[in-house]
Amino acid sequence: DTEVTQTPKHLVMGMTNKKSLKCEQHMGHRAMYWYKQKAKKPPELMFVYSYEKLSINESVPSRFSPECPNSSLLNLHLHALQPEDSALYLCASSPGTSNEKLFFGSGTQLSVL
Amino acid sequence: EDQVTQSPEALRLQEGESSSLNCSYTVSGLRGLFWYRQDPGKGPEFLFTLYSAGEEKEKERLKATLTKKESFLHITAPKPEDSATYLCAVQARGAQKLVFGQGTRLTINP
Repeated sequence: DTEVTQTPKHLVMGMTNKKSLKCEQHMGHRAMYWYKQKAKKPPELMFVYSYEKLSINESVPSRFSPECPNSSLLNLHLHALQPEDSALYLCASSPGTSNEKLFFGSGTQLSVL
Repeated sequence: EDQVTQSPEALRLQEGESSSLNCSYTVSGLRGLFWYRQDPGKGPEFLFTLYSAGEEKEKERLKATLTKKESFLHITAPKPEDSATYLCAVQARGAQKLVFGQGTRLTINP
């Protein structure tokens, strides 16, 4: 299994909703990442988990809350988002913590109304 | 500050018309330079990692090269299925974060 699976593929939420994005990989990778990507822009790093511990938080607002329950799963909890948070949210994993090669999921297209 | 600039922003070619995409970078000690391909609505797909000037890597119609200041992605006799956005990224020594360029949107017309 060489895939990173993200659910849901699409999500529409209101500004008062609470929702979660899920990401799963079964490649035994030790690092997992959340990226945010706006249309026609490159991915922007949000969080990095190395060996299930948060190692990088790129000054992301607290309305985004990551969680890594185990080495295969990564969640992103969303609460009180703003319309400008609408974007493609990408999960990625890598075999080690040195970013040798990132495997990306297909993303969750999020719309905040 | 580490920076990556890709050119052109967009490129339209006829099928079979070879060309090159450019990635210029400044980094405080290069650990690696990465090329990814991204189709609309999908996550980026890894293509190559280059580590030192003079290094070259090939995959099908794609060939990536690296100098101390820039990398080129050469596309030979492209096909419509090569249409995508090509992203270049660098990683500095000691850093875990990748710095991405803005990408080149490549369209191959049949």
